[in-house]
Order: sequence, then structure tokens, then C-alpha cells
Amino acid sequence: NAGVTQTPKFRILKIGQSMTLQCTQDMNHNYMYWYRQDPGMGLKLIYYSVGAGITDKGEVPNGYNVSRSTTEDFPLRLELAAPSQTSVYFCASSPWREDNSNQPQHFGDGTRLSIL
Amino acid sequence: AQKVTQAQTEISVVEKEDVTLDCVYETRDTTYYLFWYKQPPSGELVFLIRRNSFDEQNEISGRYSWNFQKSTSSFNFTITASQVVDSAVYFCALSGRRASGSRLTFGEGTQLTVNP
Repeated sequence: NAGVTQTPKFRILKIGQSMTLQCTQDMNHNYMYWYRQDPGMGLKLIYYSVGAGITDKGEVPNGYNVSRSTTEDFPLRLELAAPSQTSVYFCASSPWREDNSNQPQHFGDGTRLSIL
Repeated sequence: AQKVTQAQTEISVVEKEDVTLDCVYETRDTTYYLFWYKQPPSGELVFLIRRNSFDEQNEISGRYSWNFQKSTSSFNFTITASQVVDSAVYFCALSGRRASGSRLTFGEGTQLTVNP
């Protein structure tokens, strides 16, 4: 009963380093999302995907890249890490429905990332 | 553009008090969905409720109830007889029907502290 799994749970990066945050879901959901949550704030959408091979920008995409080669996986890539990217990153997924109704998103436990 | 406003940044109550968390939203969509999520101190996001714009019936689930009023663009959340375990950050979120992939716009959250 894994749901949405994110790795790693914690990471410290130096300025200018790069890394990939992994996200996988086992619910066969079409839609996947990456959000970031800064301290004391709500979640902001970075990128999302409506299916394998299709990705699009959210509200705060600068400094990030994504890919969606399979239904299950949606990795988030940080290139040239900056202190402003210190945040908690959440991956989420939701199913597509024939009636086009917007379904609740299922969230992973988050990745706490610090850039020093 | 969509917007969710949770004007109450922090609320502190004593156990067994009733508490209402306010949520006001803005959207140009005629069909949309509203959500509440709970984020306990452990950090994960827990889905509580989804409501679509055509269903203005209030909902009660145990000690939780939700009041949806389209006339005032509000979707308020009440906890009756609060308990210490209710201490968490609560997020209201909005998803427009036109938003591809059911993207969510989150409010900034309300930190609820229930004291024994």
C-alpha cells in the first residue's frame, strides 16, 4: 500500500550542485505534480504532468526541470542549486476520471531540501 | 487567475472548544472544486474533503463540518469539540475545471493549536 513515494527524505546541497528528487506512484494515476512549501506558507505548483511524455509548467518552474517517461515516475531535477530553493518538496498524484471531475491528490511525505 | 485566502494565520483554542477555519476563494470558472487538507506536525498532507461547485450542501463527518456558500465564495471548516490531536496546519485549496490535470491553488494555511 505504498501510494506516492519520495526519495530522499532529507538532503543538504551546496550552492551550484545539482540533484534529482525521485517520485514514484503505484496507483496508476495519470496526473502527477510537484509542489514546494516554504516555511509558514502554502504549497506552490512547480510542474505537473497529465500523462507519460507530457509535462507543463506550474506557478514557480524556474530552476527546475521534470520528465515523465513512465506513468509511475515523475522525477524533479534541480540544476545549479540556489539558497532560494531551500524548501520542502511534495510530489502528488491524482487519477483521471471520465467525467473530468477533479479528484483529490495523494501526496508523498515530502523531501526536505537545504541549500547552503 | 485563481486565488485562495485563509485570513487566519494562527488560531489557538482550549480542548473541547468549537473552532471555525475560514476560506475565501476567487475563480472565473463556473465549475470548480474545493478541498481541505490537514498537515499535522509530522508534515504529511492528509485529504479531508472535496466539494464541487454544483453541490452547496453542507457536510458533516464526525466532529468535522464544512459550510460552502457560493454567494460569498467561502468554504469554511468547523471542528466541534476540538481535541489536541486536531493541532495541525489546515489548507484550503481550489481546482478549476479548466485547469488541466486538476492543478491545485492552495491558501497559505491556518495553524491550529488545541491546548489541553
